[in-house]
Amino acid sequence: GQQVMQIPQYQHVQEGEDFTTYCNSSTTLSNIQWYKQRPGGHPVFLIQLVKSGEVKKQKRLTFQFGEAKKNSSLHITATQTTDVGTYFCAGPLGSARQLTFGSGTQLTVLP
Amino acid sequence: DTGVSQDPRHKITKRGQNVTFRCDPISEHNRLYWYRQTLGQGPEFLTYFQNEAQLEKSRLLSDRFSAERPKGSFSTLEIQRTEQGDSAMYLCASSLDGSLTEAFFGQGTRLTVV
Repeated sequence: GQQVMQIPQYQHVQEGEDFTTYCNSSTTLSNIQWYKQRPGGHPVFLIQLVKSGEVKKQKRLTFQFGEAKKNSSLHITATQTTDVGTYFCAGPLGSARQLTFGSGTQLTVLP
Repeated sequence: DTGVSQDPRHKITKRGQNVTFRCDPISEHNRLYWYRQTLGQGPEFLTYFQNEAQLEKSRLLSDRFSAERPKGSFSTLEIQRTEQGDSAMYLCASSLDGSLTEAFFGQGTRLTVV
């Protein structure tokens, strides 16, 4: 079936190291969104990408949308302990009007 | 606080009992979504409303689950004859439009069926 996949499932990094999570969809997406969920919290919207090949930056976070609009990545430069949490990508599959979420990448930052 | 609010935050119930959760979306948002999240997984779509109309339900949603959004404001999610497999975090989200705008999530209702 149609789905959104993310790798890796877990990532432990030392504070100051970089981190990347990858998202792949089985179908072309009209847009992709990224959310962050802190431990014990709820998903919080980070960004939306719409255009093929789009790159957006938020301070140390860089988001990319693939040329085929089927994959995306989130890169964090010089991680900090405040970056701890699970990062989800989500997008509408096919003609769906609701978001399908990936299984997330849980980031642990060691001080 | 003008965010999405959910009530209760926690619910422990015995197997076979019925439970009802409430979600109050951001007031100007016409879309309201229910998701379920289990440990280590991403939110899983259950159903959504455009104003008071329930436009889509997941195939995963058994007939024990029902949701309403009377008058297009708050929404309720009822689970009848709860089973242990229903234990999860139930998240509500709202948005101004559909999948092209960000979804604002509530803090969720954690259901434990014993």
